[in-house]
Amino acid sequence: GIQVEQSPPDLILQEGANSTLRCNFSDSVNNLQWFHQNPWGQLINLFYIPSGTKQNGRLSATTVATERYSLLYISSSQTTDSGVYFCAVSSIYGGSQGNLIFGKGTKLSVKP
Amino acid sequence: DSGVTQTPKHLITATGQRVTLRCSPRSGDLSVYWYQQSLDQGLQFLIQYYNGEERAKGNILERFSAQQFPDLHSELNLSSLELGDSALYFCASSLRQGAGNTIYFGEGSWLTVV
Repeated sequence: GIQVEQSPPDLILQEGANSTLRCNFSDSVNNLQWFHQNPWGQLINLFYIPSGTKQNGRLSATTVATERYSLLYISSSQTTDSGVYFCAVSSIYGGSQGNLIFGKGTKLSVKP
Repeated sequence: DSGVTQTPKHLITATGQRVTLRCSPRSGDLSVYWYQQSLDQGLQFLIQYYNGEERAKGNILERFSAQQFPDLHSELNLSSLELGDSALYFCASSLRQGAGNTIYFGEGSWLTVV
């Protein structure tokens, strides 16, 4: 099945710093989503982005489908950005189901 | 708030017992997915239903079963529970299945088996 690799596994930032999280995937995808899991366990949708670029406030994401990677940019980080960021994909070879396969996540800690 | 509702939020039960987790999808969504998140296995896909029919199976144990009812809510049944079944169980939903389909997750049900 499709493999999803996220890097770095851990990231520590000072408040106000910028960061880039990467997601590599091994097959062509028809769905790619970025999630933020907060310290209470909630999985929050950030982006649906199987290709192209999107921005939402301080966050933006870019997926280059032909090269099988996606990047999540966090600018001017805040302590509330702390948590685990997951990339999840659905392979075009997975039939019509569309269930997501998750990477292991990037754990982000933002220090005040 | 994603619109996906899961109950209960927390559950503590003993080994060997059986529990049922309930999920109400977002209004209008036909597809329901169940995921398990444990420390050692990460976020794993268990099973998917679309409009009442099972559509995909992942790493779901034989002791676990699920169904989607005519009103589109879904239940995940976990039986003969073991300590290793302690995990955060997520339900997710989407309008359709397949491409072009944002999947939204509920807040999860924390299961502790003692």
